[in-house]
Amino acid sequence: QVQLQESGPGLVKPSETLSLTCNVSGDSLNYFWSWFRQPPGKELEWIGYVYYTGTTNYNPSLDNRITVSQDTSKKQFSLKLHSVTAADTAVYYCAISSSAAGRYFDYWGQGMLVTVSS
Amino acid sequence: DIQMTQSPSSLSASVGDRVTITCRSSQNINTFLNWYQQKPGKAPKLLIYVASNLQSGVPSHFSGSGSGTDFTLTISSLQPEDFATYFCQQSYSTPFTFGGGTKVDIK
Repeated sequence: QVQLQESGPGLVKPSETLSLTCNVSGDSLNYFWSWFRQPPGKELEWIGYVYYTGTTNYNPSLDNRITVSQDTSKKQFSLKLHSVTAADTAVYYCAISSSAAGRYFDYWGQGMLVTVSS
Repeated sequence: DIQMTQSPSSLSASVGDRVTITCRSSQNINTFLNWYQQKPGKAPKLLIYVASNLQSGVPSHFSGSGSGTDFTLTISSLQPEDFATYFCQQSYSTPFTFGGGTKVDIK
């Protein structure tokens, strides 16, 4: 059984960088290692993914502020969101797709609320 | 970006009811459509992938159908644990996008 756990600061100041890490336990063939977020009371938004080969793909709506990277030896991947504002306040989820073709997300972390405030 | 439109945005139903939720995409996405269930304070849970495939461990009273631009999630007999919010997600192209959600609550 694959389990994911997000970690990082729950409070970030405006203009700074939000940094989160997702630790993956369990054995599974994982293709897309992805980040999502959900502002309070709103719908889910895909942030970006790193493919198991290291290729990345990001949501253009986030204005090139994103970096997603992986450390397969440690079974973890990370999100950096630069120049944050209050609009980046959300619950952030890491998730994995075990399907190379379907790109559906079958494993999720529990989510972590990150608040942007001075 | 592909826009996903879900309807209804909310519904009230009773245990045992048949519930149908629809999702429409702004362009043809073949069958690259997935359904998730989310309960308050919890992560989304995958129910249906690639339009009609039941995720392992998901009860068989959930089913999905559709292709192209129109998709349906059906709960054949609503159970107490099914009261939640349901989202569709297209995985045809990036950026992956979600529907606005359908909240199913108790009548």
